[in-house]
Amino acid sequence: ILNVEQSPQSLHVQEGDSTNFTCSFPSSNFYALHWYRWETAKSPEALFVMTLNGDEKKKGRISATLNTKEGYSYLYIKGSQPEDSATYLCALNTGTASKLTFGTGTRLQVTL
Amino acid sequence: DGGITQSPKYLFRKEGQNVTLSCEQNLNHDAMYWYRQDPGQGLRLIYYSQIVNDFQKGDIAEGYSVSREKKESFPLTVTSAQKNPTAFYLCASTRGNLAKNIQYFGAGTRLSVL
Repeated sequence: ILNVEQSPQSLHVQEGDSTNFTCSFPSSNFYALHWYRWETAKSPEALFVMTLNGDEKKKGRISATLNTKEGYSYLYIKGSQPEDSATYLCALNTGTASKLTFGTGTRLQVTL
Repeated sequence: DGGITQSPKYLFRKEGQNVTLSCEQNLNHDAMYWYRQDPGQGLRLIYYSQIVNDFQKGDIAEGYSVSREKKESFPLTVTSAQKNPTAFYLCASTRGNLAKNIQYFGAGTRLSVL
């Protein structure tokens, strides 16, 4: 079983702070790295899918980078807002169907 | 609206009982998945199906069974052989089988043991 690790486990920031999380994964057999946002009482929703080393993706105030050689991805949130409060999941695809191996997530809480 | 519907939202199982969790999608997706979430753990794959009438075991298939008789439906049965069934269960689907295809999730079913 693959080991996908996320850190920190939880994070509490104030509105306006910028923050970042890490997803670490084994770099062998890499096909894609997914990021999902999971708000309380809702379904997880996809943020980004990255496939190439050096990929950078951006969606509003949220961006992500990928380093497949060293096996990590960073998710950045600029100027956090209360609506960013959620659990952020990363998931690794190693090419077997579209199966994903998920990390345990980083729970972000943004307060006023 | 297109999406994935899981039912029921909450389910209670008695000792020795089999229970079935429903997952229906109207996205015309080929592949469907069942995950289990326990506190402090990531989503773990139970079973997945890439096409109708075919499915494969995931990482934690013991004590579970599935069927895929229709493209839009992928029910999960938690059998009496699953000794620790209390968890949150999520169903997902993808359009195809490419690594970059995002997964779309239902709202989940929370299963508890009476």
